[in-house]
Amino acid sequence: AQTVTQSQPEMSVQEAETVTLSCTYDTSESDYYLFWYKQPPSRQMILVIRQEAYKQQNATENRFSVNFQKAAKSFSLKISDSQLGDAAMYFCAYRSSYSGAGSYQLTFGKGTKLSVIP
Amino acid sequence: ETGVTQTPRHLVMGMTNKKSLKCEQHLGHNAMYWYKQSAKKPLELMFVYNFKEQTENNSVPSRFSPECPNSSHLFLHLHTLQPEDSALYLCASSQEQTSGYSTDTQYFGPGTRLTVL
Repeated sequence: AQTVTQSQPEMSVQEAETVTLSCTYDTSESDYYLFWYKQPPSRQMILVIRQEAYKQQNATENRFSVNFQKAAKSFSLKISDSQLGDAAMYFCAYRSSYSGAGSYQLTFGKGTKLSVIP
Repeated sequence: ETGVTQTPRHLVMGMTNKKSLKCEQHLGHNAMYWYKQSAKKPLELMFVYNFKEQTENNSVPSRFSPECPNSSHLFLHLHTLQPEDSALYLCASSQEQTSGYSTDTQYFGPGTRLTVL
């Protein structure tokens, strides 16, 4: 079974600064997807960024980028130029690439609460 | 409406009540999901419907009963719940392949905050 670990329950960053959130995972599969989701106080789970394991290039979305280290099974999220609206819970998630029973499940970490200091 | 919508946003019910949660996706997806989010616990997948057929039931108690009348709508019928069932219930949808590799991304609704007294 896959597991996802987020070792930082809480983090804070000064507005306009850069912060990195950590995520490690455990799997025996070679093909899979990794995600970062953001959940602000409104509770809506919003996709931030996704990474396909077969791609070596790190995914980027505007101020958000990942450092994907497949051998180390590490998938960290970097937020540049942090804004007040970035304050939220951030969840790392894993999903198998294969269709079929058991593959639909997103395995989530416990989350990291990010605070942005004005 | 766009994306995934859920109603109601808040629900308070007694243990003997019967209520239903509704989810609707406007993304043309063919798979829908119910997740439970409790305090200090990772999100837990409850049910999966793919092409309107239930494909997964992760050992969910029978007091939770899902229904998927079509690929755009998903319900979660609740009866004789327990206080420990109080949580945020999230619905999600995705576009799945019929076989082979999935297309991965699940899009979530805003959730229903359920309180069982």
